[in-house]
Amino acid sequence: DAKTTQPTSMDCAEGRAANLPCNHSTISGNEYVYWYRQIHSQGPQYIIHGLKNNETNEMASLIITEDRKSSTLILPHATLRDTAVYYCIVRDNTDKLIFGTGTRLQVFP
Amino acid sequence: DTGVSQNPRHKITKRGQNVTFRCDPISEHNRLYWYRQTLGQGPEFLTYFQNEAQLEKSRLLSDRFSAERPKGSFSTLEIQRTEQGDSAMYLCASSVGQLMNTEAFFGQGTRLTVV
Repeated sequence: DAKTTQPTSMDCAEGRAANLPCNHSTISGNEYVYWYRQIHSQGPQYIIHGLKNNETNEMASLIITEDRKSSTLILPHATLRDTAVYYCIVRDNTDKLIFGTGTRLQVFP
Repeated sequence: DTGVSQNPRHKITKRGQNVTFRCDPISEHNRLYWYRQTLGQGPEFLTYFQNEAQLEKSRLLSDRFSAERPKGSFSTLEIQRTEQGDSAMYLCASSVGQLMNTEAFFGQGTRLTVV
């Protein structure tokens, strides 16, 4: 079973920051948080991952709380092409990614 | 394109037929994963390989399913005696080593429709 809880859906205006929350209250000390997204009819696309420090790359930023029980994915300037299902995943200790149902982000003009 | 390649992209088959899908991982990626995704759900783990060794199989992988990676490069997933419930998107992913601190890259999937 997935170890994360995410809202089912969110909306965001184009050009604004999209903040996608994720709860992972049972995360263990050595488990990483991964974010993927899936645009309709395509395979999941890796976005970012982190352990306890905040991370940033060309796609997004990942903010992990100090107790590591939750995190937020930030898309700083959402575009229409960011409309997708976003999955927050805690890496399983048997070395596979267990997906939940994700958050459906709709970016509107 | 040097990403993960899956063939075919779409497959329509009659119930009871056998089907085989192929996945070509990114070169030098020693880990290869198979997932299945049905409409409205996230991908579900099926099995994974390290080189040619199949390390884990999900309970979802019934006896009708078999996966191979004979030379540690490409992999095949075969479904025998297909059922309508097998209709889904089958996704393949690859990674370098364990998923401790490295990402897995997914292919575009093979969409199977059993009629």
